[in-house]
Amino acid sequence: NAGVMQNPRHLVRRRGQEARLRCSPMKGHSHVYWYRQLPEEGLKFMVYLQKENIIDESGMPKERFSAEFPKEGPSILRIQQVVRGDSAAYFCASSPTRERYEQYFGPGTRLTVT
Amino acid sequence: DQQVKQNSPSLSVQEGRISILNCDYTNSMFDYFLWYKKYPAEGPTFLISISSIKDKNEDGRFTVFLNKSAKHLSLHIVPSQPGDSAVYFCAASGMNRDDKIIFGKGTRLHILP
Repeated sequence: NAGVMQNPRHLVRRRGQEARLRCSPMKGHSHVYWYRQLPEEGLKFMVYLQKENIIDESGMPKERFSAEFPKEGPSILRIQQVVRGDSAAYFCASSPTRERYEQYFGPGTRLTVT
Repeated sequence: DQQVKQNSPSLSVQEGRISILNCDYTNSMFDYFLWYKKYPAEGPTFLISISSIKDKNEDGRFTVFLNKSAKHLSLHIVPSQPGDSAVYFCAASGMNRDDKIIFGKGTRLHILP
């Protein structure tokens, strides 16, 4: 059973470009969480999605950030018009139920904005 | 406002000795606490947890202690092994199913040969 997969693992974008981060949850998992880790910081919750629904986006910046988890395909975290402050590691986690303690994390995508 | 605090950014321990990682929290509504371990270039992996109704939980070499009155928890690893070198995150959550998990900044543990 493959774990949570994230791609790309490393992404370099120039200021003003768009970044798309993908997360494929573990098989059988329909709950996805996105976290951001800034340098020297802990993981900060961004958004919680179930298939086709955003359940909690209270951790998402109000502008430029969006997330989706379509019926088919991976979950996507999209950052428009990236700025240097968006440089961070972005982790996705999935769980089989709404039980938030059962989260399994992917390896992360490291976004660098130049 | 840091609700979960890990005040030691790093810790070095001799192989075979006990490693003690500390964590403090400020939110009295937290009722479930977790420790995650993270290797470089990997995601965090769940290590051990404890509910607020307990003061100790043990799993092999890993034991977590909870002191609710002091709002303090600690992770003990004994004996420490080279493979334990990693970053350890303390995390906490409230009693509601939809409460988010709040992470500390992590402590980097070095196990010395």
